[in-house]
Amino acid sequence: AQKVTQAQTEISVVEKEDVTLDCVYETRDTTYYLFWYKQPPSGELVFLIRRNSFDEQNEISGRYSWNFQKSTSSFNFTITASQVVDSAVYFCALRQNRDDKIIFGKGTRLHILP
Amino acid sequence: NAGVTQTPKFRVLKTGQSMTLLCAQDMNHEYMYWYRQDPGMGLRLIHYSVGEGTTAKGEVPDGYNVSRLKKQNFLLGLESAAPSQTSVYFCASSYGGLAATGELFFGEGSRLTVL
Repeated sequence: AQKVTQAQTEISVVEKEDVTLDCVYETRDTTYYLFWYKQPPSGELVFLIRRNSFDEQNEISGRYSWNFQKSTSSFNFTITASQVVDSAVYFCALRQNRDDKIIFGKGTRLHILP
Repeated sequence: NAGVTQTPKFRVLKTGQSMTLLCAQDMNHEYMYWYRQDPGMGLRLIHYSVGEGTTAKGEVPDGYNVSRLKKQNFLLGLESAAPSQTSVYFCASSYGGLAATGELFFGEGSRLTVL
């Protein structure tokens, strides 16, 4: 079965704090891709990052970093020194190679308080 | 570049009416997807297509039909709308084949209300 679980429904932190969004996935495929998307209050969906199943290197892009651990089937997303503009809903997604389905988690709504 | 365009952006229907949502992309993408977004449910895959003339069921296909007669268009139909289909619908496209890494390009969404 293909499944993505984002257990944190809603998180609130004060600006400049670090925050980690959790993502746990399930798949029987050995080849798959993981993604994070951002949906700001304006409603559009913005691609943030893609990771394939063979690349477990962590990635950092400015204040954003991602930790991929196949051993725990997790792909967590950390925002360092959060800013009000980071307030959004964040979705984790999984694509299996076997059928090209792309399944999303339920999302985590992040509030950054000034 | 237009990217992914959804038509219409807003629509109100009465129970039992039918309608079609049109998704058009100008990026020559092979793959196209329809999702619905409901509060607390995230994005759920309705149907998708990996090429012209092909369609496949997603997580929540019941009550919807799709067609991909042209590569650039992916139509989502509701034959007999129900209040449970009130939602925001997103279309997305991506590269396919060897270039298929899955990054989705989304339309702006279509808000459908069924009374």
